[in-house]
Amino acid sequence: SQTIHQWPATLVQPVGSPLSLECTVEGTSNPNLYWYRQAAGRGLQLLFYSVGIGQISSEVPQNLSASRPQDRQFILSSKKLLLSDSGFYLCAWSSGTGGNEQFFGPGTRLTVL
Amino acid sequence: KQEVTQIPAALSVPEGENLVLNCSFTDSAIYNLQWFRQDPGKGLTSLLLIQSSQREQTSGRLNASLDKSSGRSTLYIAASQPGDSATYLCAVDDAGTYKYIFGTGTRLKVLA
Repeated sequence: SQTIHQWPATLVQPVGSPLSLECTVEGTSNPNLYWYRQAAGRGLQLLFYSVGIGQISSEVPQNLSASRPQDRQFILSSKKLLLSDSGFYLCAWSSGTGGNEQFFGPGTRLTVL
Repeated sequence: KQEVTQIPAALSVPEGENLVLNCSFTDSAIYNLQWFRQDPGKGLTSLLLIQSSQREQTSGRLNASLDKSSGRSTLYIAASQPGDSATYLCAVDDAGTYKYIFGTGTRLKVLA
């Protein structure tokens, strides 16, 4: 069966510090991978998605970036965090080219102070 | 641009009631519609997936319907229980893209 992991589960970082969040998927190959952010009291905002290694599409201009160094690994990064980067970050995967179910990881709670 | 709306934003009901959550979307060009449940501080759990060619899906006390032409879906929860308390989100798989567009959710509280 497929499993999706995210770490860390929680993170408290000062403004201006770097960020690296990792997501890995097990039990499937060539998944579509997604990073979402959920701010307090708001819906899910799609940040990045990837349909293959090295292929990253950005949805919202911001100081975040994403990379996919391996087929089942998706990394969210920032060189300098802003207060507005605080939120709940969720990684998700789906298979195929469309019409398939999306599955989510447990999320990372990021607080920028 | 696809937009997804969920009504109501919040709902509080006594245990045992049957209830309906609504989801509407603006563009009928979708591959599927998916309903999720989110508990506080947790990730999303998939409840039901309805393909664009289907009219409904059922899982236990949950039944989801899809009317693609009118841009609407409903999630029916029968005999609600306190354990059903959570936020329910719907999402559409936007045809022609790899993107899923989410509604802002309905926060459900079932009172014992």
